[in-house]
Amino acid sequence: GAGVSQSPRYKVTKRGQDVALRCDPISGHVSLYWYRQALGQGPEFLTYFNYEAQQDKSGLPNDRFSAERPEGSISTLTIQRTEQRDSAMYRCASSLVGGGRTDTQYFGPGTRLTVL
Amino acid sequence: ILNVEQSPQSLHVQEGDSTNFTCSFPSSNFYALHWYRWETAKSPEALFVMTLNGDEKKKGRISATLNTKEGYSYLYIKGSQPEDSATYLCAFPTGGSQGNLIFGKGTKLSVKP
Repeated sequence: GAGVSQSPRYKVTKRGQDVALRCDPISGHVSLYWYRQALGQGPEFLTYFNYEAQQDKSGLPNDRFSAERPEGSISTLTIQRTEQRDSAMYRCASSLVGGGRTDTQYFGPGTRLTVL
Repeated sequence: ILNVEQSPQSLHVQEGDSTNFTCSFPSSNFYALHWYRWETAKSPEALFVMTLNGDEKKKGRISATLNTKEGYSYLYIKGSQPEDSATYLCAFPTGGSQGNLIFGKGTKLSVKP
């Protein structure tokens, strides 16, 4: 079936605006993860869900960042009052089983966010 | 704070060369070690999930070994091809029951034809 999809692929916004990034995981996947990836670096964990429950949000940098997955499928990462330091690639990943440490995570293509 | 280290940071080889690079991770409370292949502008692609000490996994010309007691994993590429050029990332799950991964900074491999 289809892989993880994310939209938009590119987002340019002005400082102070709110943005919403969408992730559509692989159908049937229980766990959904959000990561942020700076240029040339590996992904950095932000938050994760099992079904609709947010299990861990310890990686969210501050309270301007929030995420939801209300029906246990599509997830939205929202950044309020964006700042230039928020510019990065935001990647979503999903895995079949609930948050297992040995589960393969399948990554989406990412949303490249640029805050001017 | 968990730390995942990869070396070297970058590697330049000629087509046909075999190469290897290292991922170091905390040896205590080991759960699994993930390897990903990442081409710029694409999604990271899962290569292996390694769980047992002494594990060896293979996918085509790429193989990986695991030593959980000393906290390292090697990734080997036999007979490198230009299409192997990518960044190879390893990742280590955090503690507890969660699967969120801590990634290393990667080894960037360039294979010249």
